[in-house]
Amino acid sequence: QKEVEQNSGPLSVPEGAIASLNCTYSDRGSQSFFWYRQYSGKSPELIMSIYSNGDKEDGRFTAQLNKASQYVSLLIRDSQPSDSATYLCAVPGGSGYSTLTFGKGTMLLVSP
Amino acid sequence: GAGVSQSPSNKVTEKGKDVELRCDPISGHTALYWYRQSLGQGLEFLIYFQGNSAPDKSGLPSDRFSAERTGGSVSTLTIQRTQQEDSAVYLCASSARGKPYGYTFGSGTRLTVV
Repeated sequence: QKEVEQNSGPLSVPEGAIASLNCTYSDRGSQSFFWYRQYSGKSPELIMSIYSNGDKEDGRFTAQLNKASQYVSLLIRDSQPSDSATYLCAVPGGSGYSTLTFGKGTMLLVSP
Repeated sequence: GAGVSQSPSNKVTEKGKDVELRCDPISGHTALYWYRQSLGQGLEFLIYFQGNSAPDKSGLPSDRFSAERTGGSVSTLTIQRTQQEDSAVYLCASSARGKPYGYTFGSGTRLTVV
């Protein structure tokens, strides 16, 4: 059974700061990783994917992957109040090749 | 349609009643997924349809849950003899061929069993 662990938070950061969200996973064979953002009362939306060790940058977002330590991080630079949401980490598999196993998510609160 | 459409958006039902939840995926998306999200819990996989292949039902929590997908498009999730622990938001997602993990989620159906 694949497991994805995240600190539930909330993680509170001031506007303009860097928010760091972390995720660990149990299956050493996992090859790809995904970050979804879920605003309160809304559905999750895909914001980042990463497949290789190292960093992947997309605008203010950077995903970091360390397969040896089995963790993946999401950094949000210049955090904005509009970034306040729950961030879900996901890995493929668990119940099927094309399904995702999600962590419970970390709530991020960015204060003005 | 432009997005994944789910109906109803809210459903309150009495314990023991059957309910049907509907999902209309993005046109052309071959994969369709059902998940549920309980308060304070993560997304729990229920069932996955890919084209005309047999569905992956491995996430269904009991035989009270079933789902079908007609014509490779619209899907219906049926919960028989509902229990209070079935209360959750039921989310449907679809994805395009070649992008299996790029889920587009619908807005969900909030099911409350009283």
